Amino acid sequence: EAQVTQNPRYLITVTGKKLTVTCSQNMNHEYMSWYRQDPGLGLRQIYYSMNVEVTDKGDVPEGYKVSRKEKRNFPLILESPSPNQTSLYFCATGPLNTGELFFGEGSRLTVL
Amino acid sequence: QKEVEQNSGPLSVPEGAIASLNCTYSDRGSQSFFWYRQYSGKSPELIMFIYSNGDKEDGRFTAQLNKASQYVSLLIRDSQPSDSATYLCAVRIGGATNKLIFGTGTLLAVQP
Repeated sequence: EAQVTQNPRYLITVTGKKLTVTCSQNMNHEYMSWYRQDPGLGLRQIYYSMNVEVTDKGDVPEGYKVSRKEKRNFPLILESPSPNQTSLYFCATGPLNTGELFFGEGSRLTVL
Repeated sequence: QKEVEQNSGPLSVPEGAIASLNCTYSDRGSQSFFWYRQYSGKSPELIMFIYSNGDKEDGRFTAQLNKASQYVSLLIRDSQPSDSATYLCAVRIGGATNKLIFGTGTLLAVQP
């Protein structure tokens, strides 16, 4: 079954405590991306990757890092989380040069 | 700033009626257009995409594109309560990219 798996699904943490949200896809797509979704602001892109070892900033990259060491994995790293990073995060993957995205189930992060 | 605008709703229609969801975009260079459906508490899923001016039909769904007016719409015929969800319009700017600009979504409520 084609899947995009994110972990954790829910997390409550405190300011400054580093955390990583993992994303793994078994669809063999080159493209992967992270979005955050906030009420009234919609889905905004954080980072994306067109291939292994190729990553680039999206529209709201501040406070986040990513890596793409393997095709299937694209973790999102918050080095020093702050309350304004409280949000619903989605990982997505899809074929290159299309807008067809397959989303993970989402990770709801609360930073106190 | 490239923008995609949608009425947030809620758009309330009776069961069996046609639901009409609208979207405007600001960038004339936009090349392809997508409709994603997001049920409450779930991740977005792709339901339609359209590249050319005119209509594209898929079952009960019809996407309409008018590039001159920078306008995209989604019609849902014979609306069902199970269609109740938020519908996200997304625009791909074009070129060698997967980048989508999302609208904030329209909440559709189909009344039994």
